[in-house]
Amino acid sequence: GAGVSQSPSNKVTEKGKDVELRCDPISGHTALYWYRQSLGQGLEFLIYFQGNSAPDKSGLPSDRFSAERTGGSVSTLTIQRTQQEDSAVYLCASSLTKGNYGYTFGSGTRLTVV
Amino acid sequence: GQQLNQSPQSMFIQEGEDVSMNCTSSSIFNTWLWYKQEPGEGPVLLIALYKAGELTSNGRLTAQFGITRKDSFLNISASIPSDVGIYFCAGHFTGNQFYFGTGTSLTVIP
Repeated sequence: GAGVSQSPSNKVTEKGKDVELRCDPISGHTALYWYRQSLGQGLEFLIYFQGNSAPDKSGLPSDRFSAERTGGSVSTLTIQRTQQEDSAVYLCASSLTKGNYGYTFGSGTRLTVV
Repeated sequence: GQQLNQSPQSMFIQEGEDVSMNCTSSSIFNTWLWYKQEPGEGPVLLIALYKAGELTSNGRLTAQFGITRKDSFLNISASIPSDVGIYFCAGHFTGNQFYFGTGTSLTVIP
């Protein structure tokens, strides 16, 4: 597609449940990022994928968070045993190559844990 | 991690006024980016800066990469109502991630 597509756009889940968030990057973009945006905060880096290289998971806040990218395209961010502090907007972005050319962001998934 | 301080946190201005916001870092960066985010949307790239001292314009927007490499500013001239949104700076030095500021919320009063 023309842009980065994320689904669902909104997700309300009960504390303790698992959730999966999906990102469809721009076709041909090799780099894919997940960021988290909490209310009134800047964007917090979570994980980065580049081609077939091992992902950079250095931003994942706990082992309840994991992500995968299948076939170098679609990515799924999974949060297990969700907690209320996981409530945030999860943004996916892709770029043509690694590094300093800026990202194109999706519209995000707003996750609310009740 | 890198600390980015963005100021002001919020601005309320009259339509037609000029706007200035800035971002400072505790460490040097090789790249500065400025994004705008509207409600319910992801951030959209406005301007990218790659060299210390660089001054770049995009329509009514002008941004500069500070000579110390620890700061950047964004100016918007002759503001209009559609400039409303949250403006984020982001910096990159090494590694895979950009570090984002906490944003400047801009309200333009018609």
